[in-house]
Amino acid sequence: AQTVTQSQPEMSVQEAETVTLSCTYDTSESDYYLFWYKQPPSRQMILVIRQEAYKQQNATENRFSVNFQKAAKSFSLKISDSQLGDAAMYFCAYRSAIEGGTFGTGTKLQVIP
Amino acid sequence: DTGVSQNPRHKITKRGQNVTFRCDPISEHNRLYWYRQTLGQGPEFLTYFQNEAQLEKSRLLSDRFSAERPKGSFSTLEIQRTEQGDSAMYLCASSSGQVTDTQYFGPGTRLTVL
Repeated sequence: AQTVTQSQPEMSVQEAETVTLSCTYDTSESDYYLFWYKQPPSRQMILVIRQEAYKQQNATENRFSVNFQKAAKSFSLKISDSQLGDAAMYFCAYRSAIEGGTFGTGTKLQVIP
Repeated sequence: DTGVSQNPRHKITKRGQNVTFRCDPISEHNRLYWYRQTLGQGPEFLTYFQNEAQLEKSRLLSDRFSAERPKGSFSTLEIQRTEQGDSAMYLCASSSGQVTDTQYFGPGTRLTVL
């Protein structure tokens, strides 16, 4: 079975600074997809960024980028120029064609003004 | 398009009762997923549908749980003989049909079993 591990239950960052959230996963499949989701307090979960495993280039979405290390099975999220609205739970997730989706336990990000 | 909606948003029930939740996906979305999320944890996959076909069920989905998507549009998740351990947030998500497609999540239904 696939597993996703987020080893940082909580992180904090100063507004306008950069923070990196860690995620590791375990799988025997070669074709899969990785995602970072954001879940603000009492609000719906939304997709932040995604990465296809067959792509070597790291995905970027504005202030959000990933460091995808396939051999190490690592998929970290970097948030640049952190904003107050970035405060939320962040979940790393794995999905493949035969897998409905495995999420990590989440990292709570606090942004300090 | 108002996104994925779920009803009810909150449900309090007594142990042993049956409950049913509804999810309305985004129009035209073929895939519909159900997840369960307990406090301090990430969502756990329960099941998903491609149109009206239920293609995968997690081992978490015991015999007391059943999900349907009769016409390939809305879906229902029923829990029979609820137990206190069923207390959780039940999330629904939909996507347009490919495994790589973005999942759009609903607000969830919070179930409390007394």
